[in-house]
Amino acid sequence: AQKVTQAQTEISVVEKEDVTLDCVYETRDTTYYLFWYKQPPSGELVFLIRRNSFDEQNEISGRYSWNFQKSTSSFNFTITASQVVDSAVYFCALTRNTGNQFYFGTGTSLTVIP
Amino acid sequence: NAGVMQNPRHLVRRRGQEARLRCSPMKGHSHVYWYRQLPEEGLKFMVYLQKENIIDESGMPKERFSAEFPKEGPSILRIQQVVRGDSAAYFCASSVGQGARNEQFFGPGTRLTVL
Repeated sequence: AQKVTQAQTEISVVEKEDVTLDCVYETRDTTYYLFWYKQPPSGELVFLIRRNSFDEQNEISGRYSWNFQKSTSSFNFTITASQVVDSAVYFCALTRNTGNQFYFGTGTSLTVIP
Repeated sequence: NAGVMQNPRHLVRRRGQEARLRCSPMKGHSHVYWYRQLPEEGLKFMVYLQKENIIDESGMPKERFSAEFPKEGPSILRIQQVVRGDSAAYFCASSVGQGARNEQFFGPGTRLTVL
């Protein structure tokens, strides 16, 4: 069975602090895809990143970076120098290579305090 | 190229009424997925459809819920005799093909409130 766990329900940081959002997943598949989505207060889902299970290279995009560790089944997301606009709920998700559905974590609500 | 469209964005129904949620996939996409997000929870898969076919409805409640994706027109998620517990955000996603290689693009969601 597939499962995604985001143990941090809510995080508050002061603007300009760095923050890491944790994501731990479970799957028996050898090929799978991991995602992060942002859901701002307006409610839509904003795609941030997709990573397949064979690509363990960390990725950096501006103030965002992702750390994929297969050994610990984790795909953590770090925001550097956080800004108020980063306040949102962030979801980690997994799909199977042959599957059709996303398995979402329960989300981490991030509040950046000015 | 417009993204996935969902309408209405907000829908209010009284208990016992029917709710119809529409999803127009991105141009060129023939695969549609519906997800439900209950308050304070993550999204849960409901159903996966291709044109005129339901491929996977393992996440659909057994009663009152149905989905279709006709040859022409949008995909429809229909909830009959709504109850308060149906209040949620319903998201539609579409993809060009099957499988995780094909990215799913999400619509803005329909927020259903049952009074």
